[in-house]
Amino acid sequence: AQSVTQLDSHVSVSEGTPVLLRCNYSSSYSPSLFWYVQHPNKGLQLLLKYTSAATLVKGINGFEAEFKKSETSFHLTKPSAHMSDAAEYFCVVSGGGYQKVTFGTGTKLQVIP
Amino acid sequence: DTAVSQTPKYLVTQMGNDKSIKCEQNLGHDTMYWYKQDSKKFLKIMFSYNNKELIINETVPNRFSPKSPDKAHLNLHINSLELGDSAVYFCASSPLGGGYGYTFGSGTRLTVV
Repeated sequence: AQSVTQLDSHVSVSEGTPVLLRCNYSSSYSPSLFWYVQHPNKGLQLLLKYTSAATLVKGINGFEAEFKKSETSFHLTKPSAHMSDAAEYFCVVSGGGYQKVTFGTGTKLQVIP
Repeated sequence: DTAVSQTPKYLVTQMGNDKSIKCEQNLGHDTMYWYKQDSKKFLKIMFSYNNKELIINETVPNRFSPKSPDKAHLNLHINSLELGDSAVYFCASSPLGGGYGYTFGSGTRLTVV
């Protein structure tokens, strides 16, 4: 069994300030973890993924996430928000292989100029 | 070259009609999916095919019928459309399974009136 909890449904930051989007997971397997971004009226795009290699994962557009097994967390961060980062972000957990993936409920990131 | 392409992008139809959504991927991936995203952005898997074989069939009304003529195509046919079917439907593909990350299409916004 697996689940994923995105702790904030909305996050608002000022342009140029750090971004933190929080995600906790549970899994009976050694999980694969992902972050996807969805801009308005667009499909989802893979930002980054963790698949049991380095615990600090770097993704596109300056985002990174750290896998913390002891805290069952996979929070997404970015040092400095840009207006183009305003979007919906989804944390995803998978048991790997053909295992069904589980999506979080999403965090809407608002960037204030 | 679009990696995962869906048609149509928008679909407005009356209750009781039958409609199809088509999906094609040119990534050489073995696994394809249909997801439904509701008005609250919640994503729910509907079906998954691996190399033309159905491997995930969630609790979806049997008015929804997927068809995969080959591993590059996965279509979704919906009979007797209902108001509650209004949503955005996403096609996605992955190399071997959900643990490897998805590539999503841009979605089909279905509105049933």
